[in-house]
Amino acid sequence: ETGVTQTPRHLVMGMTNKKSLKCEQHLGHNAMYWYKQSAKKPLELMFVYSLEERVENNSVPSRFSPECPNSSHLFLHLHTLQPEDSALYLCASSQEGSPEQFFGPGTRLTVL
Amino acid sequence: GDSVTQMEGPVTLSEEAFLTINCTYTATGYPSLFWYVQYPGEGLQLLLKATKADDKGSNKGFEATYRKETTSFHLEKGSVQVSDSAVYFCALSDRGFGNEKLTFGTGTRLTIIP
Repeated sequence: ETGVTQTPRHLVMGMTNKKSLKCEQHLGHNAMYWYKQSAKKPLELMFVYSLEERVENNSVPSRFSPECPNSSHLFLHLHTLQPEDSALYLCASSQEGSPEQFFGPGTRLTVL
Repeated sequence: GDSVTQMEGPVTLSEEAFLTINCTYTATGYPSLFWYVQYPGEGLQLLLKATKADDKGSNKGFEATYRKETTSFHLEKGSVQVSDSAVYFCALSDRGFGNEKLTFGTGTRLTIIP
């Protein structure tokens, strides 16, 4: 595998389910990001991890819970989501201090 | 705070037409500027970048010049192809919190017809 990978690519869940999104980067970077992409809206930065510590949390509801066990892996744990949480969730990585971010293909999430 | 405004789409052009997608920004400092492209079913890919005023970024026939006086970073291509059909995002970076933070525009969907 190369670059940034995300699994699953598609996920449909009910409002009472618990699921997790996974991101893995094979680039040797030390910063990772979660973004939410909704139709007709700018990408929304959700969380930033740098050197495995969370350095930013953009007022994201607690039903989204990130986890970064090491510099190569990033998870987004989901529970009791709402239909308006349906979106494409993108993971990205970068080398700290560099402005260039590398994105994964995203997970298309649908909440019923 | 920082913001990016780009022209709303969708934009539909014929093959070999000239392309311009406008992008203007608001920032307190001297950001780096980027164009990212998202092909159907994929994540964002960096298309080109410019890190200081008057720099020109270029890649795959696309160009954009960092214009500090007009706070703009318009994307241009002289002759588009069907394979250029995608969503294009203008973005700027802000060196805050010890790490680079990207602020994106809303994206412009481009469709090229043969």
